[in-house]
Amino acid sequence: QQQVKQSPQSLIVQKGGISIINCAYENTAFDYFPWYQQFPGKGPALLIAIRPDVSEKKEGRFTISFNKSAKQFSLHIMDSQPGDSATYFCAASPGGSNYKLTFGKGTLLTVNP
Amino acid sequence: NAGVTQTPKFRVLKTGQSMTLLCAQDMNHEYMYWYRQDPGMGLRLIHYSVGEGTTAKGEVPDGYNVSRLKKQNFLLGLESAAPSQTSVYFCASSYGTVLGQPQHFGDGTRLSIL
Repeated sequence: QQQVKQSPQSLIVQKGGISIINCAYENTAFDYFPWYQQFPGKGPALLIAIRPDVSEKKEGRFTISFNKSAKQFSLHIMDSQPGDSATYFCAASPGGSNYKLTFGKGTLLTVNP
Repeated sequence: NAGVTQTPKFRVLKTGQSMTLLCAQDMNHEYMYWYRQDPGMGLRLIHYSVGEGTTAKGEVPDGYNVSRLKKQNFLLGLESAAPSQTSVYFCASSYGTVLGQPQHFGDGTRLSIL
């Protein structure tokens, strides 16, 4: 049973455009939602994270939007750049902890110049 | 800073062979994890450890064993490799349950089982 569903599987965006990746979860015990970014040949690295007590968190060009009632959260990348081309994973964990993360299947983002 | 170092980076095995993947971290983290990454499957937790001398099963533990004899090292063993274990294996570490502290990942071990 997949507990975190991520879409789309792949995404192509033009430079300067907005990239949007969506995730939905089922486990109501989840209360920590990070996004990880992975470049080819490298391990994932934390990009941004949110807890359900806020509906939005912004760090530079990256924004997480969170809808607790719908059990959905999304990553928005504004002014997308070719250097943003990577695989993005959403994740979730319970109890306010950052361990035992459940990951989505990933989205391969390609930003064309 | 080395962070999380995985050894080896690449390996090809024959079915039935055994091997050990080594993970070392220099951040004094309590928690360590082993994941496997397969195309279209995301990252799946194999085993994890919440401290020296402890291990616990994750989502896909079958066919793997682990040991955490030293705080800085976490070993993943395959006793009898199978083609289904062809994957990219990632080790990660973290301070534990401190909110906002991320899991730090190594750059992976690419393992092929023929």
